Amino acid sequence: DAMVIQNPRYQVTQFGKPVTLSCSQTLNHNVMYWYQQKSSQAPKLLFHYYDKDFNNEADTPDNFQSRRPNTSFCFLDIRSPGLGDAAMYLCATSRGQGVGPPLHFGNGTRLTVT
Amino acid sequence: AQKITQTQPGMFVQEKEAVTLDCTYDTSDQSYGLFWYKQPSSGEMIFLIYQGSYDEQNATEGRYSLNFQKARKSANLVISASQLGDSAMYFCAMREPLTGANNLFFGTGTRLTVIP
Repeated sequence: DAMVIQNPRYQVTQFGKPVTLSCSQTLNHNVMYWYQQKSSQAPKLLFHYYDKDFNNEADTPDNFQSRRPNTSFCFLDIRSPGLGDAAMYLCATSRGQGVGPPLHFGNGTRLTVT
Repeated sequence: AQKITQTQPGMFVQEKEAVTLDCTYDTSDQSYGLFWYKQPSSGEMIFLIYQGSYDEQNATEGRYSLNFQKARKSANLVISASQLGDSAMYFCAMREPLTGANNLFFGTGTRLTVIP
């Protein structure tokens, strides 16, 4: 089945130690998104790629970076994680940015910062 | 102003009963899409159902139906014959025609608990 896969499912990192979360998709969708979701809140968009074009949300901290080496893969790099960065990180894809296509989400990576 | 409003932080329903989760939206666009997602405690966000603003029929997907009332700007989710596995967080969302930008807006969610 075509899907969005996130690795790892759970990630523990130390305060200030860089961490990379990965996302891959077999849907061949041209748009990929990274969301941060804290407990009992709606997902918050960090950034997205439309093909190779990177779009950063205005309030996304500089601590968060992303790479999309090809259509299938997208990475979220947190350069110096703080305790406040502990959250669920959700990767999503969609076929274009029209009003119709739904976003397809991965299982998420739950990040713990110690 | 909130684009998507979900006024029910939590809902309870007896197993096998139907339940309605409320969602109202705010947009000045004529073309938009409405979505419902389910998020179990495991964390994945599962797409349930979609309604386009120009669709005249209410969307249905198995036990899920979307009660679309355009004039009232409401898009309520109806789950029929609730099952224990329906216990989860439910998010209403809307996409607007803003290309190159964040065009998906989520509500704050409703936590549904199905009681045996």
